[in-house]
Amino acid sequence: AQKITQTQPGMFVQEKEAVTLDCTYDTSDQSYGLFWYKQPSSGEMIFLIYQGSYDEQNATEGRYSLNFQKARKSANLVISASQLGDSAMYFCAMREMSGGANSKLTFGKGITLSVRP
Amino acid sequence: KAGVTQTPRYLIKTRGQQVTLSCSPISGHRSVSWYQQTPGQGLQFLFEYFSETQRNKGNFPGRFSGRQFSNSRSEMNVSTLELGDSALYLCASSLAMATGNTIYFGEGSWLTVV
Repeated sequence: AQKITQTQPGMFVQEKEAVTLDCTYDTSDQSYGLFWYKQPSSGEMIFLIYQGSYDEQNATEGRYSLNFQKARKSANLVISASQLGDSAMYFCAMREMSGGANSKLTFGKGITLSVRP
Repeated sequence: KAGVTQTPRYLIKTRGQQVTLSCSPISGHRSVSWYQQTPGQGLQFLFEYFSETQRNKGNFPGRFSGRQFSNSRSEMNVSTLELGDSALYLCASSLAMATGNTIYFGEGSWLTVV
């Protein structure tokens, strides 16, 4: 089974509207971390937001928030007030800690977001 | 403060050659990891280093190797290049290998093998 599933192949959103990008994950670890990254066409992977498995509150970073539903194993990214510069590929990733301390990320296939003016 | 710096940004190599990519992590970060990104396979973990020691390795052939220096800078090397090695190679750094530590990426090195 895939560890990170991002099933939306492409998303469109009107400028200034909110959009939700879906991510489900599969792990048997109790301790893990979930990340969202933005990748524009230049290739750079830009960190957006992080949620730890033990965090009780949903993470927020400016216009980004993470809707973390642990029981459903989902970690959806919500972007509020979309801007044209938000058009990019978005990746959900997970770090599992069962094997000990590490910085290894497992990525989903990504979602393309296009913001319309 | 400066982010993760990768050099070179773009390079073209011939099949059979070898290539070395460099990564300077964020100041103070001791963990460095490498990823390969291709359209077909997506993002795949290559290896990670902490305190000059390889801590984890992905499922790649021995042609792919890396190392980390005492200043935490890292290099990865690919020998006997194949066409399928054409990819974006991303380096990431983290303060340490702990759950709460954010992982930051560089701009990547675009490798084309012809």
